[in-house]
Order: sequence, then structure tokens, then C-alpha cells
Amino acid sequence: AQKVTQAQTEISVVEKEDVTLDCVYETRDTTYYLFWYKQPPSGELVFLIRRNSFDEQNEISGRYSWNFQKSTSSFNFTITASQVVDSAVYFCALSEAWAGGTSYGKLTFGQGTILTVHP
Amino acid sequence: DAMVIQNPRYQVTQFGKPVTLSCSQTLNHNVMYWYQQKSSQAPKLLFHYYDKDFNNEADTPDNFQSRRPNTSFCFLDIRSPGLGDAAMYLCATSRILLAGVAKNIQYFGAGTRLSVL
Repeated sequence: AQKVTQAQTEISVVEKEDVTLDCVYETRDTTYYLFWYKQPPSGELVFLIRRNSFDEQNEISGRYSWNFQKSTSSFNFTITASQVVDSAVYFCALSEAWAGGTSYGKLTFGQGTILTVHP
Repeated sequence: DAMVIQNPRYQVTQFGKPVTLSCSQTLNHNVMYWYQQKSSQAPKLLFHYYDKDFNNEADTPDNFQSRRPNTSFCFLDIRSPGLGDAAMYLCATSRILLAGVAKNIQYFGAGTRLSVL
């Protein structure tokens, strides 16, 4: 069975601080996808990144960066120079890459981390 | 422009009164999902459609049904809402491009927040 753990329930930082959100996952699949989604107060889940299990290169997109380490089953997310607009709930998620049977890319979510960035 | 549209954004219903939530998409994706998200919890998958093929999660109550009349639309029917069904309901879509390979970036709508009085 797949499992995603986000141990940090809530994080509070002051604007311009860097912050890292942790994500640890469990799966027996050899091929899988990892995701991060942002959920602002409006409620919509916004896709941020997808990472294939074969690709362990770290990725940077503006102030966002992701560190994927297969050896420790972690996929951590860092926001550099945080801003108030970054305040949201962030979800890490996992899905198997094979869509056979009835799974069709089912996502397993972590419990989410509430990030609050104060001015 | 929104690509996954959920209506209404807020829905109030009475205990036991059937309610239908709707979702439409302009992405022409072949998979549509319904999630339930209660306060401070992760989204929980209720069911999903691959084209017209319906897949129910094992722990989804019988009280929840779904219809997908065409590629663009999908409905969530709650036959007899209880107080415990008050939640945010999220619709998502994704596209499976090749047989057995899930590109599966799921794109979500803004959700419908359901209140049960």
C-alpha cells in the first residue's frame, strides 16, 4: 500500500525567510510519480510539480525548489524568500505510474502542511 | 480561464434532501475524479471515471453516486445527505495518453463547499 507522510502539521515563518516542507513516502512500486499541490484559502488545489521516480534531479522554479532523494524516500519542497501569498496548505502526493486495472493514476495524499507567512 | 469548473461554489442542503454537485471541463481529459475533503484533512477519493468506465473506491458510502453523461461533465449525487457529509467536494481531471501509462497530472476545480443543515 502507498503512504505519504507530512510530519509538519503547521509552519509559521516571517516574510523573506526560507522554509522547507518535508514529505516522506512509502510504496512497493518501482515506477511512480510524486507531486506537490498548493491549496490556498479559496480551496482549489493548484498543481506545482510532478516528479518521475526515475528522475532524481533536483528542480528549481523561481523561488521554489524540490529535493527528491530516492534513498530516503523523501521529496522535500523549499520556498526561498517566502512571501505572504505563499500562505496555504501544501500537499505532497504519490501515484503509481501504471494505469492498468482500475487505478487510473489514483493519488495518495499526505495530510498537508499549513504554511503561514507573516508580513 | 478556468479549465475545471465546479458549480455551485457553495451549496446548502437539508438533512436527507438529495443534492447534486456538478463538474465540467474544457480539457477533453478522459479521466474525471471526485474527492471529498473535510476540514484539516487530505482529499479523499470517492470514485473516478475513465471515459465511461466507473470505478468506486471500496470505502465510498452507497449514499454517494456519480454520473458522467459525456466527456465534459460529471455529477456527484448525494442521495440522503447527513451531517457528516458536510465537506468540500473537489472534482479533478487527468489524461491517460497511452494504454497503461498515466501521465496523470490531475487538475482540480475550485471545489463546492457543502453545508448540511
